[in-house]
Amino acid sequence: DAGITQSPRYKITETGRQVTLMCHQTWSHSYMFWYRQDLGHGLRLIYYSAAADITDKGEVPDGYVVSRSKTENFPLTLESATRSQTSVYFCASGRVTGYHEQYFGPGTRLTVT
Amino acid sequence: AQTVTQSQPEMSVQEAETVTLSCTYDTSESNYYLFWYKQPPSRQMILVIRQEAYKQQNATENRFSVNFQKAAKSFSLKISDSQLGDTAMYFCAFRETGNQFYFGTGTSLTVIP
Repeated sequence: DAGITQSPRYKITETGRQVTLMCHQTWSHSYMFWYRQDLGHGLRLIYYSAAADITDKGEVPDGYVVSRSKTENFPLTLESATRSQTSVYFCASGRVTGYHEQYFGPGTRLTVT
Repeated sequence: AQTVTQSQPEMSVQEAETVTLSCTYDTSESNYYLFWYKQPPSRQMILVIRQEAYKQQNATENRFSVNFQKAAKSFSLKISDSQLGDTAMYFCAFRETGNQFYFGTGTSLTVIP
């Protein structure tokens, strides 16, 4: 009954390093999303996925890569981390019926030094 | 780009009193969906209430209700009988067709004992 989980919850990395944030959901929701949350900006969409092997860019995709080989997993990779990518990252999954509301993971706080 | 505006960065309310958080949005569509999410200090994003634009009746969930003014493109959240556990950041979100959400910048609410 985990719902949606993210790992790690906290990460410190150095500029230029590659880092992958993991997201796993147990609801079999078709849609999954990655957001970043920064003070004064609310939540901004990085990438989203409508189904396995289908991904699309959101508002702020530069510097990020995603993949979705399985419905339940949606990892986010920072190929060469920069200080501007220091943020809190949220993964969400969403239904395709009704209101299409989104359900969020607990977030990952990433610090790039 | 769609916009969601929360004009009150911070608000406070006495315990047991009522408070209203404002949200306006911009769209040319006739049907869409609106949401309020709560983010307590734990950082978890929690869906509070949702509204479909086609529905005339304002949504209500226990102590939480909305005032949806379609013509004014306004979607305010009213919290009655405020409790200490209501202290959180509140985000207004908007969805048209498709599954992309657009979030406001949030209102930080403090409930004072």
